Amino acid sequence: RKEVEQDPGPFNVPEGATVAFNCTYSNSASQSFFWYRQDCRKEPKLLMSVYSSGNEDGRFTAQLNRASQYISLLIRDSKLSDSATYLCVVRMYSSNTGKLIFGQGTTLQVKP
Amino acid sequence: DGGITQSPKYLFRKEGQNVTLSCEQNLNHDAMYWYRQDPGQGLRLIYYSQIVNDFQKGDIAEGYSVSREKKESFPLTVTSAQKNPTAFYLCASSRTGGGTDTQYFGPGTRLTVL
Repeated sequence: RKEVEQDPGPFNVPEGATVAFNCTYSNSASQSFFWYRQDCRKEPKLLMSVYSSGNEDGRFTAQLNRASQYISLLIRDSKLSDSATYLCVVRMYSSNTGKLIFGQGTTLQVKP
Repeated sequence: DGGITQSPKYLFRKEGQNVTLSCEQNLNHDAMYWYRQDPGQGLRLIYYSQIVNDFQKGDIAEGYSVSREKKESFPLTVTSAQKNPTAFYLCASSRTGGGTDTQYFGPGTRLTVL
């Protein structure tokens, strides 16, 4: 079983739609959680961290359920510019090293 | 501008050749990382360095080597022992190697073995 699993999609949605991505992780020792965005043939960029209480940044809402080992990202009012691959990332601590584990990504295509 | 630079952007190599990928950062970050990304897969950690003159193997270090002689530089050598080197290579850095510090990525190098 992969340490971090995502539905690869692609998710094809019209502009203005609300779309949700899910991610599960296998190691309960995981400590920090993030969503990164990766445009085609570019480097990943941090979209947002995910906090236990849930957090929102404009049209983006991230939620964490530690009991179910589940993370989600909700995008409201989708824009064409939201088209990208969204990477679920989990940080685990060992000694004093914070190792990142990446999911394979979920691809979103927003259409006019 | 502060950031991470990688060169070259595209690299072609013949089988049996070693090749070195450059990564430089001017963010004054202590920690640096090398990942590879294959189509449809998540990033996998090759090597990381938490401080100058020290580095550790990641999950897929076989066939790769690194050095960290300067804080700002963390070059990766892909040796002929790496069986499947064609991939997108990403360098990252963070203020420290632990805690909750964000990792920032360079633009990547696409390596193709001919």
